[in-house]
Amino acid sequence: EDQVTQSPEALRLQEGESSSLNCSYTVSGLRGLFWYRQDPGKGPEFLFTLYSAGEEKEKERLKATLTKKESFLHITAPKPEDSATYLCAGNSGGYQKVTFGTGTKLQVIP
Amino acid sequence: DAGVTQSPTHLIKTRGQHVTLRCSPISGHKSVSWYQQVLGQGPQFIFQYYEKEERGRGNFPDRFSARQFPNYSSELNVNALLLGDSALYLCASSSRDGATNEKLFFGSGTQLSVL
Repeated sequence: EDQVTQSPEALRLQEGESSSLNCSYTVSGLRGLFWYRQDPGKGPEFLFTLYSAGEEKEKERLKATLTKKESFLHITAPKPEDSATYLCAGNSGGYQKVTFGTGTKLQVIP
Repeated sequence: DAGVTQSPTHLIKTRGQHVTLRCSPISGHKSVSWYQQVLGQGPQFIFQYYEKEERGRGNFPDRFSARQFPNYSSELNVNALLLGDSALYLCASSSRDGATNEKLFFGSGTQLSVL
Protein backbone atom coordinates (compact mmCIF):
# COMPACT_ATOMS: atom_id res chain seq x y z
CA GLU A 1 0.00 0.00 0.00
CA ASP A 2 1.28 3.45 -0.93
CA GLN A 3 2.31 5.61 2.01
CA VAL A 4 3.37 9.24 2.31
CA THR A 5 4.67 10.57 5.63
CA GLN A 6 5.38 14.22 6.31
CA SER A 7 7.38 15.85 9.07
CA PRO A 8 7.22 17.90 11.12
CA GLU A 9 3.46 18.09 11.69
CA ALA A 10 3.78 21.78 12.53
CA LEU A 11 6.55 24.32 12.13
CA ARG A 12 6.79 27.83 13.47
CA LEU A 13 9.39 30.14 11.92
CA GLN A 14 10.38 33.73 12.34
CA GLU A 15 10.16 35.79 9.18
CA GLY A 16 13.41 35.28 7.25
CA GLU A 17 14.29 32.02 9.06
CA SER A 18 14.87 29.36 6.38
CA SER A 19 13.91 25.72 6.93
CA SER A 20 12.91 22.48 5.18
CA LEU A 21 9.86 20.24 5.22
CA ASN A 22 10.29 16.50 4.75
CA CYS A 23 8.19 14.00 2.81
CA SER A 24 9.04 10.29 2.95
CA TYR A 25 7.23 8.08 0.50
CA THR A 26 6.69 4.42 -0.21
CA VAL A 27 4.96 4.48 -3.57
CA SER A 28 5.56 1.60 -5.91
CA GLY A 29 6.27 2.72 -9.44
CA LEU A 30 6.15 6.41 -8.57
CA ARG A 31 4.92 8.43 -11.52
CA GLY A 32 4.94 11.81 -9.88
CA LEU A 33 5.64 13.42 -6.49
CA PHE A 34 3.51 16.49 -5.90
CA TRP A 35 3.62 19.42 -3.51
CA TYR A 36 0.47 21.41 -2.80
CA ARG A 37 -0.25 24.36 -0.54
CA GLN A 38 -3.56 24.53 1.35
CA ASP A 39 -4.92 27.64 3.05
CA PRO A 40 -7.65 27.32 5.70
CA GLY A 41 -11.08 26.74 4.19
CA LYS A 42 -9.69 26.23 0.69
CA GLY A 43 -8.70 23.37 -1.55
CA PRO A 44 -5.05 22.49 -2.18
CA GLU A 45 -3.18 24.64 -4.68
CA PHE A 46 -0.57 23.02 -6.92
CA LEU A 47 3.07 23.97 -6.39
CA PHE A 48 5.37 21.37 -8.01
CA THR A 49 5.58 17.97 -9.67
CA LEU A 50 8.84 16.00 -9.47
CA TYR A 51 9.35 12.89 -11.57
CA SER A 52 12.77 11.42 -10.90
CA ALA A 53 15.47 11.34 -8.23
CA GLY A 54 17.78 14.32 -8.45
CA GLU A 55 15.17 16.62 -9.90
CA GLU A 56 14.73 20.10 -8.42
CA LYS A 57 12.13 22.81 -9.03
CA GLU A 58 11.89 26.36 -7.72
CA LYS A 59 9.21 28.95 -7.35
CA GLU A 60 9.88 32.22 -5.54
CA ARG A 61 11.03 31.29 -2.01
CA LEU A 62 10.25 27.58 -2.44
CA LYS A 63 12.48 24.83 -3.79
CA ALA A 64 11.46 21.17 -4.03
CA THR A 65 13.92 18.29 -4.36
CA LEU A 66 13.50 14.55 -4.81
CA THR A 67 15.53 11.49 -3.87
CA LYS A 68 14.58 7.83 -4.24
CA LYS A 69 12.92 7.82 -0.81
CA GLU A 70 12.25 11.42 0.15
CA SER A 71 11.31 14.85 -1.04
CA PHE A 72 12.14 18.13 0.62
CA LEU A 73 10.46 21.50 0.36
CA HIS A 74 13.00 24.16 1.21
CA ILE A 75 11.68 27.57 2.23
CA THR A 76 14.19 30.41 1.98
CA ALA A 77 13.61 33.62 3.94
CA PRO A 78 9.90 32.94 4.46
CA LYS A 79 7.30 35.68 4.80
CA PRO A 80 4.05 35.63 6.81
CA GLU A 81 2.10 35.02 3.59
CA ASP A 82 3.87 31.66 3.27
CA SER A 83 1.89 30.45 6.29
CA ALA A 84 -0.23 27.50 5.16
CA THR A 85 -0.38 23.71 5.28
CA TYR A 86 1.96 22.09 2.77
CA LEU A 87 0.86 18.72 1.42
CA CYS A 88 3.04 16.13 -0.28
CA ALA A 89 1.47 13.48 -2.50
CA GLY A 90 2.54 10.55 -4.67
CA ASN A 91 0.93 8.91 -7.66
CA SER A 92 1.58 5.39 -8.88
CA GLY A 93 -1.58 4.14 -10.51
CA GLY A 94 -2.94 4.22 -14.00
CA TYR A 95 -5.30 6.98 -12.98
CA GLN A 96 -5.30 9.95 -10.66
CA LYS A 97 -5.29 8.09 -7.36
CA VAL A 98 -2.99 10.45 -5.53
CA THR A 99 -1.91 9.46 -2.02
CA PHE A 100 -1.50 12.51 0.22
CA GLY A 101 0.46 12.90 3.41
CA THR A 102 -1.11 14.57 6.44
CA GLY A 103 0.70 17.83 5.76
CA THR A 104 2.99 20.25 7.58
CA LYS A 105 1.31 23.30 9.04
CA LEU A 106 3.70 26.21 8.64
CA GLN A 107 3.35 29.43 10.58
CA VAL A 108 5.66 32.35 9.77
CA ILE A 109 5.73 35.05 12.42
CA PRO A 110 6.57 38.67 11.52
CA ASP B 1 -11.70 32.03 -16.12
CA ALA B 2 -13.64 30.44 -13.31
CA GLY B 3 -11.89 27.78 -11.30
CA VAL B 4 -13.42 24.55 -10.06
CA THR B 5 -16.74 25.35 -8.42
CA GLN B 6 -18.45 23.20 -5.82
CA SER B 7 -21.89 23.43 -4.26
CA PRO B 8 -23.07 23.72 -1.64
CA THR B 9 -20.20 25.15 0.42
CA HIS B 10 -21.62 23.86 3.70
CA LEU B 11 -24.16 21.17 4.49
CA ILE B 12 -25.60 19.73 7.67
CA LYS B 13 -27.29 16.32 7.59
CA THR B 14 -28.39 13.71 10.11
CA ARG B 15 -27.33 10.08 10.26
CA GLY B 16 -29.03 7.86 7.71
CA GLN B 17 -29.79 10.65 5.28
CA HIS B 18 -28.56 10.93 1.72
CA VAL B 19 -26.46 13.78 0.27
CA THR B 20 -25.54 14.98 -3.23
CA LEU B 21 -22.53 17.19 -3.79
CA ARG B 22 -21.91 18.96 -7.09
CA CYS B 23 -18.82 20.03 -8.97
CA SER B 24 -18.17 22.03 -12.14
CA PRO B 25 -14.65 21.63 -13.54
CA ILE B 26 -12.59 24.31 -15.17
CA SER B 27 -13.84 24.96 -18.70
CA GLY B 28 -12.17 22.50 -21.07
CA HIS B 29 -11.22 20.03 -18.36
CA LYS B 30 -12.61 16.57 -18.91
CA SER B 31 -11.35 14.73 -15.85
CA VAL B 32 -12.90 15.10 -12.40
CA SER B 33 -11.72 13.49 -9.17
CA TRP B 34 -13.29 13.46 -5.72
CA TYR B 35 -11.41 13.47 -2.41
CA GLN B 36 -12.46 13.33 1.24
CA GLN B 37 -10.46 15.37 3.74
CA VAL B 38 -11.06 14.76 7.43
CA LEU B 39 -9.88 17.54 9.74
CA GLY B 40 -6.14 17.35 10.33
CA GLN B 41 -5.57 14.76 7.59
CA GLY B 42 -4.58 14.85 3.94
CA PRO B 43 -7.19 14.34 1.21
CA GLN B 44 -8.17 10.73 0.46
CA PHE B 45 -9.02 9.64 -3.07
CA ILE B 46 -12.62 8.55 -3.66
CA PHE B 47 -13.22 8.50 -7.43
CA GLN B 48 -11.90 9.69 -10.76
CA TYR B 49 -14.10 10.18 -13.84
CA TYR B 50 -13.00 10.93 -17.37
CA GLU B 51 -15.35 11.32 -20.31
CA LYS B 52 -18.26 10.16 -18.13
CA GLU B 53 -16.59 6.87 -17.25
CA GLU B 54 -15.18 5.82 -13.90
CA ARG B 55 -11.40 5.53 -14.20
CA GLY B 56 -10.55 4.79 -10.59
CA ARG B 57 -12.07 4.15 -7.18
CA GLY B 58 -10.52 4.50 -3.75
CA ASN B 59 -11.13 2.41 -0.64
CA PHE B 60 -14.62 3.69 0.17
CA PRO B 61 -17.83 1.71 0.77
CA ASP B 62 -20.55 1.29 -1.82
CA ARG B 63 -22.54 4.00 -0.06
CA PHE B 64 -20.38 6.38 -2.05
CA SER B 65 -21.16 6.78 -5.74
CA ALA B 66 -20.54 9.38 -8.41
CA ARG B 67 -21.27 10.22 -11.98
CA GLN B 68 -20.11 12.65 -14.65
CA PHE B 69 -22.42 14.42 -17.05
CA PRO B 70 -21.95 15.26 -20.77
CA ASN B 71 -20.85 18.80 -19.82
CA TYR B 72 -18.15 17.19 -17.58
CA SER B 73 -19.73 18.37 -14.33
CA SER B 74 -19.98 15.73 -11.65
CA GLU B 75 -22.02 14.64 -8.65
CA LEU B 76 -20.90 12.72 -5.59
CA ASN B 77 -23.65 10.85 -3.75
CA VAL B 78 -23.40 9.40 -0.28
CA ASN B 79 -26.18 7.21 1.10
CA ALA B 80 -26.97 6.21 4.68
CA LEU B 81 -24.76 8.90 6.18
CA LEU B 82 -22.61 8.05 9.18
CA LEU B 83 -21.04 10.42 11.70
CA GLY B 84 -17.65 9.47 10.25
CA ASP B 85 -18.64 10.89 6.87
CA SER B 86 -18.24 14.39 8.31
CA ALA B 87 -15.43 15.94 6.29
CA LEU B 88 -14.45 18.41 3.61
CA TYR B 89 -15.25 16.94 0.19
CA LEU B 90 -12.97 18.22 -2.52
CA CYS B 91 -13.43 18.08 -6.26
CA ALA B 92 -10.44 18.39 -8.58
CA SER B 93 -10.23 18.71 -12.34
CA SER B 94 -7.42 18.26 -14.82
CA SER B 95 -7.01 19.20 -18.41
CA ARG B 96 -6.06 16.15 -20.38
CA ASP B 97 -7.01 12.51 -20.19
CA GLY B 98 -6.52 12.15 -16.49
CA ALA B 99 -2.96 11.00 -16.85
CA THR B 100 -1.29 10.00 -13.64
CA ASN B 101 1.20 12.82 -13.47
CA GLU B 102 -1.14 15.68 -14.19
CA LYS B 103 -1.49 18.48 -11.71
CA LEU B 104 -4.91 18.80 -10.16
CA PHE B 105 -6.94 21.98 -9.77
CA PHE B 106 -9.05 21.80 -6.62
CA GLY B 107 -12.25 23.55 -5.68
CA SER B 108 -12.78 25.00 -2.22
CA GLY B 109 -14.80 22.00 -1.17
CA THR B 110 -18.11 21.20 0.50
CA GLN B 111 -17.96 20.98 4.29
CA LEU B 112 -20.33 18.19 5.30
CA SER B 113 -21.38 17.81 8.92
CA VAL B 114 -23.34 14.71 9.93
CA LEU B 115 -25.18 14.97 13.26
